[in-house]
Amino acid sequence: EIVLTQSPGTLSLSPGERATLSCRASQTINNRYLAWYQQKPGQAPRLLIYGASTRATAIPDRFSGSGSGTDFTLTISRLEPEDFAVYYCQQYGTSPGYSFGQGTKLEIK
Amino acid sequence: QVQLVESGGALVKPGGSLTLSCAASGFTFSDYYMSWIRQAPGKGLEWISYICSSSCTYTNYADSVKGRFTISRDNAKNSLYLQMNSLRAEDTAVYYCSRINGPFDIWGQGTVVTVSS
Repeated sequence: EIVLTQSPGTLSLSPGERATLSCRASQTINNRYLAWYQQKPGQAPRLLIYGASTRATAIPDRFSGSGSGTDFTLTISRLEPEDFAVYYCQQYGTSPGYSFGQGTKLEIK
Repeated sequence: QVQLVESGGALVKPGGSLTLSCAASGFTFSDYYMSWIRQAPGKGLEWISYICSSSCTYTNYADSVKGRFTISRDNAKNSLYLQMNSLRAEDTAVYYCSRINGPFDIWGQGTVVTVSS
């Protein structure tokens, strides 16, 4: 089973700043099958990025993903007030399951 | 409009059983693998099970629920189910169903299961 470790656990930034979130896998993720999700309080997660770097439908271009192998990054270029949320990475390319990272909380400084 | 709506969440005693449902609309349900994911209070996301599309019968489970939970689907009713037996306090969570399209691209709003005496 692939274990995903996200860092930092909490990231405190101000609107307008750049956010960099990390996701490290315990083994290589095949074909860059790595996704990022955003979750706001009381809401279901929303798919942001898949294939490590492809934005999902209607996701603003301030969100970008990069990485391969075992190290992946989600970058938010200029934070908007609505971007403060919890972010999860997920691998979906290796059986048997679809493991998630533990999450990074992005909070307003 | 592509949509998933879960139902069936409730307060249940330890050792009890419960069946969750997920109604799909706006897409060809039978074409897609489907999954259940849960989130304990204040915790992260935990994938728990998936079922393949209509052309196969494969299912898979996280170790935490294997042997206690059963995923199934009724393509004629555009519905996904999760039969949960031998429930424990640690099964208390919001349960989400999701469409698998590579990643999990569509999520329901969730249904709450509380296991407590």
